[in-house]
Amino acid sequence: RKEVEQDPGPFNVPEGATVAFNCTYSNSASQSFFWYRQDCRKEPKLLMSVYSSGNEDGRFTAQLNRASQYISLLIRDSKLSDSATYLCVVLGSGGGGADGLTFGKGTHLIIQP
Amino acid sequence: NAGVTQTPKFRILKIGQSMTLQCTQDMNHNYMYWYRQDPGMGLKLIYYSVGAGITDKGEVPNGYNVSRSTTEDFPLRLELAAPSQTSVYFCASSYTGQINSPLHFGNGTRLTVT
Repeated sequence: RKEVEQDPGPFNVPEGATVAFNCTYSNSASQSFFWYRQDCRKEPKLLMSVYSSGNEDGRFTAQLNRASQYISLLIRDSKLSDSATYLCVVLGSGGGGADGLTFGKGTHLIIQP
Repeated sequence: NAGVTQTPKFRILKIGQSMTLQCTQDMNHNYMYWYRQDPGMGLKLIYYSVGAGITDKGEVPNGYNVSRSTTEDFPLRLELAAPSQTSVYFCASSYTGQINSPLHFGNGTRLTVT
């Protein structure tokens, strides 16, 4: 099983729809989880951290399911500007530094007008 | 406050040539990182530094060298460039190494080795 696995997509979604995608991770001792957003030919930027209790930031909701070892990202009322690649990032069990981060390959989302 | 600045943005190298990718940050971050991103792949950590004078290997360090003489600068050196080093290179920094400190990435350097 790959360390961090994401469906590469693309997910083609009409504007205004709700879309959700998951990311699975193999290390059950993983400590922290994040979603980064990467626009085409740009650098990744932190979208949100994922907390055990789930967290929401505007139209975005992130959830963690430790039992099944996956995190999810839900986008409501999708906008054209949400079109991007969403990277799942997991911190392994060794150390606390960002050198322990594993990046998924990303899920490509296309919002269509 | 420019954040993380990388130069050059693009570069084409011939096999066997060498070059240095520059990275500087003005946020007084202690931690700095170099990643490479190949098409359809996740970012891979090449080298990182927890402060001036300290560097450590990441997941894919072969063929690269780094130095950290100042807090601001973290150049990545490619010696004897190979086609396998064709990639997009991202420099990043964070305030501390703790994971709740988000990574701030530079704009990237697109390198082609032919």
